Amino acid sequence: AQSVTQLDSQVPVFEEAPVELRCNYSSSVSVYLFWYVQYPNQGLQLLLKYLSGSTLVKGINGFEAEFNKSQTSFHLRKPSVHISDTAEYFCAVSLQGAQKLVFGQGTRLTINP
Amino acid sequence: DAGITQSPRHKVTETGTPVTLRCHQTENHRYMYWYRQDPGHGLRLIHYSYGVKDTDKGEVSDGYSVSRSKTEDFLLTLESATSSQTSVYFCAISSGGWGTGELFFGEGSRLTVL
Repeated sequence: AQSVTQLDSQVPVFEEAPVELRCNYSSSVSVYLFWYVQYPNQGLQLLLKYLSGSTLVKGINGFEAEFNKSQTSFHLRKPSVHISDTAEYFCAVSLQGAQKLVFGQGTRLTINP
Repeated sequence: DAGITQSPRHKVTETGTPVTLRCHQTENHRYMYWYRQDPGHGLRLIHYSYGVKDTDKGEVSDGYSVSRSKTEDFLLTLESATSSQTSVYFCAISSGGWGTGELFFGEGSRLTVL
């Protein structure tokens, strides 16, 4: 079965600094990969997804992620964060053609002024 | 925003009582899911549905049942609530092609079992 590990439970950064949120997955077959964001007291919304093709995926709000098959990683990056990026971020994986989306434990991103 | 409504949004109940959470969608999507969110665990799939009267278990289904009698409604029932079921419950929908599609989430239902 596939699984997802988000390596950091909390990441504090200063405003306008770059940030990387790390995600590793395990699967013996091809997968689809997703990043979701959850703002306080809200549901989750999709930031970006990797289905196939270019390994560099661009999403909303200036975020991007890179799929690295050899390292089984899908790290999320933003070159310059804003206070409004304060939220919890979830990495998720699904097997191609399967009926199951598995989420990581989440990373809480805190932006300090 | 995707048309997903969860009710109730907040509920406090006592151990041993039955609880039903409702998810209503206006998107006519085929797939519907119930997840629970707990600190340190992310979101875990409880049950999902791939059509009217077609449901299947997720990874944490013990103590929960679901029903889907109409495309737009997906009910999650705790037959006898326990304190370990205190959590935030999210409903999600997908138009299909599970592995390729985006999930749209509701606002969540916060359940406290005393």
